[in-house]
Amino acid sequence: DAGITQSPRHKVTETGTPVTLRCHQTENHRYMYWYRQDPGHGLRLIHYSYGVKDTDKGEVSDGYSVSRSKTEDFLLTLESATSSQTSVYFCAVRFGPNEKLFFGSGTQLSVL
Amino acid sequence: AQSVTQLDSQVPVFEEAPVELRCNYSSSVSVYLFWYVQYPNQGLQLLLKYLSGSTLVESINGFEAEFNKSQTSFHLRKPSVHISDTAEYFCAVSDTRGGSQGNLIFGKGTKLSVKP
Repeated sequence: DAGITQSPRHKVTETGTPVTLRCHQTENHRYMYWYRQDPGHGLRLIHYSYGVKDTDKGEVSDGYSVSRSKTEDFLLTLESATSSQTSVYFCAVRFGPNEKLFFGSGTQLSVL
Repeated sequence: AQSVTQLDSQVPVFEEAPVELRCNYSSSVSVYLFWYVQYPNQGLQLLLKYLSGSTLVESINGFEAEFNKSQTSFHLRKPSVHISDTAEYFCAVSDTRGGSQGNLIFGKGTKLSVKP
């Protein structure tokens, strides 16, 4: 599992509240990613990081922000959660651009 | 920018039958190609990848995929499936130039259902 831990594993929250998901890795991967998985859409990239304090937007970044202050932690924040952000969120890591992605176990987020 | 099309959202098949999961990609530059598998309630795992060299790549559990540049395809095949192969399979592509262009773009997935 490449030492990836996602927390929490499940969360239920209300519309308008802030939510932070955490991805923690123990193997010093340079690249870290946040994806969301929805039926019929596959996995879509939200944000990614290629080093400490180096982050960029993916294809579905609206309503999300990220931070990476340490190599091992990549945080995804929903500033004001909406029902459309109900999804399964996966963190992924890799050493380099042609290396395989290692995925975390996912966070099931429900926004009511 | 790249894109990936998985032509079948669901593929039902009987145990021990052959299966092919189709994947086509679009890109104006050279790409790396991947197949990932997701078992129920788990994250994705790499099944196999094409980076360069031989166009036929194999996984340890009997799957193979062939890179066809002229048809921009990377179909996944297995000659005889098992119940345990029931899962969702994702094709993915990335730009060989790396950096931000090296992010993986995933298809929408194909659910393989193996019936006894």
